[in-house]
Amino acid sequence: GQQVMQIPQYQHVQEGEDFTTYCNSSTTLSNIQWYKQRPGGHPVFLIQLVKSGEVKKQKRLTFQFGEAKKNSSLHITATQTTDVGTYFCAGPSGGSNYKLTFGKGTLLTVNP
Amino acid sequence: KAGVTQTPRYLIKTRGQQVTLSCSPISGHRSVSWYQQTPGQGLQFLFEYFSETQRNKGNFPGRFSGRQFSNSRSEMNVSTLELGDSALYLCASQIDRVHEQFFGPGTRLTVL
Repeated sequence: GQQVMQIPQYQHVQEGEDFTTYCNSSTTLSNIQWYKQRPGGHPVFLIQLVKSGEVKKQKRLTFQFGEAKKNSSLHITATQTTDVGTYFCAGPSGGSNYKLTFGKGTLLTVNP
Repeated sequence: KAGVTQTPRYLIKTRGQQVTLSCSPISGHRSVSWYQQTPGQGLQFLFEYFSETQRNKGNFPGRFSGRQFSNSRSEMNVSTLELGDSALYLCASQIDRVHEQFFGPGTRLTVL
């Protein structure tokens, strides 16, 4: 079945450093979504990318969808302690936008 | 608008018992999905219900079942609990044709 791999599994940075997490799917995706889960919390939707090569920005966060629509990345510029959490990518599975396959996530910790 | 609510928040059961978890979606959301989250396997899709019908299903044994009521509230049931069923069970609701999923706080199930 479809697999979604994310690297790295963990990333520890000093506040102010940049952070990037990468997501790779075994199949071409119609879209990719990113979620953030704070420690002890639940996943919260960040963004959806649909077009090949799409780049979207949300303040210090930059999301990219690969040309082949099989990979994606999330880059955070100048991390802050509020960025702490696990970042997940997720893609539709089995042709359904209501059945998501999640990557295992990247846990970001930030040292103040 | 109220968010997705899940009850109970915490549950302790013993092996062989069964459990029922409840989820109330955001008003107007007719799609409800269930996920199991564990440290080892991450977020795994269980099933999705729409208009009282199971529309999508993940790769879980038949001990895991669910249903949806006419008001879109959903329940999931796990019978003959095993130690490995200990996990955070997350419910997510979604507006039809919009891909963003809104997650509830989850039910933390511990099986002893």
